[in-house]
Amino acid sequence: EVQLVESGGGLVQPGGSLRLSCAASGFTFSDYYMDWVRQAPGKGLEWVGRVRDKVNSYTTEYAASVKGRFTLSRDDSKNSVYLQMNSLETEDTAVYYCVKNIRLGSTRGVAFDLWGQGTLLTVS
Amino acid sequence: DIQLTQSPSFVSVSVGDRVTITCRASQAMNSYLAWYQQKPGKAPKILIYAASTLQSGVPLRFSGSGSGTEFTLTISSLQPEDFATYYCQQLNSYPLTFGGGTKVEIK
Repeated sequence: EVQLVESGGGLVQPGGSLRLSCAASGFTFSDYYMDWVRQAPGKGLEWVGRVRDKVNSYTTEYAASVKGRFTLSRDDSKNSVYLQMNSLETEDTAVYYCVKNIRLGSTRGVAFDLWGQGTLLTVS
Repeated sequence: DIQLTQSPSFVSVSVGDRVTITCRASQAMNSYLAWYQQKPGKAPKILIYAASTLQSGVPLRFSGSGSGTEFTLTISSLQPEDFATYYCQQLNSYPLTFGGGTKVEIK
């Protein structure tokens, strides 16, 4: 089955750290960019960041709101992507979704075609 | 940053109605524009990518169009399962951004 399963959410105090994990299955994980998107309670969607594939040297991009505090990484041998979150703030409280990107030929990152179920982070 | 403004933010419609949602970008962009549907307590689901390409498995009553700074999502005949919140997203440049959402409710 093609799916993404996030884990690692929970309750953290302001200033604390947490690492979210996302396990992928059912597709060739190493071929795709992976992103994280978050949604604060009752609010809209906010892109958090992206980690590219090996061909693109696993480079990363971040939203300004998390840059310098969050770090994205991936382990293609484990079909997993990770979000290390440091210096957490109450504004980081949200459901965090791991997402897979669509590829159109050699063009990557066209849209998000597979979402995990989400994991809730509460900073309080 | 490219800001996306969706309108309306809320619409009340009946089953069978035609619904059009607009997404305006703060600057001209290529067609890396996607639309998602989200139901309460669920992850978003992709409907349209590259402005007008229907994702596999999505009903034909959904369509997307537009270019430059104005894009639209149209639902030709609203079905009961379509009541949800819809988001546009640009993947033209970083940071990737979403519109504020359009909630489609039953009249």
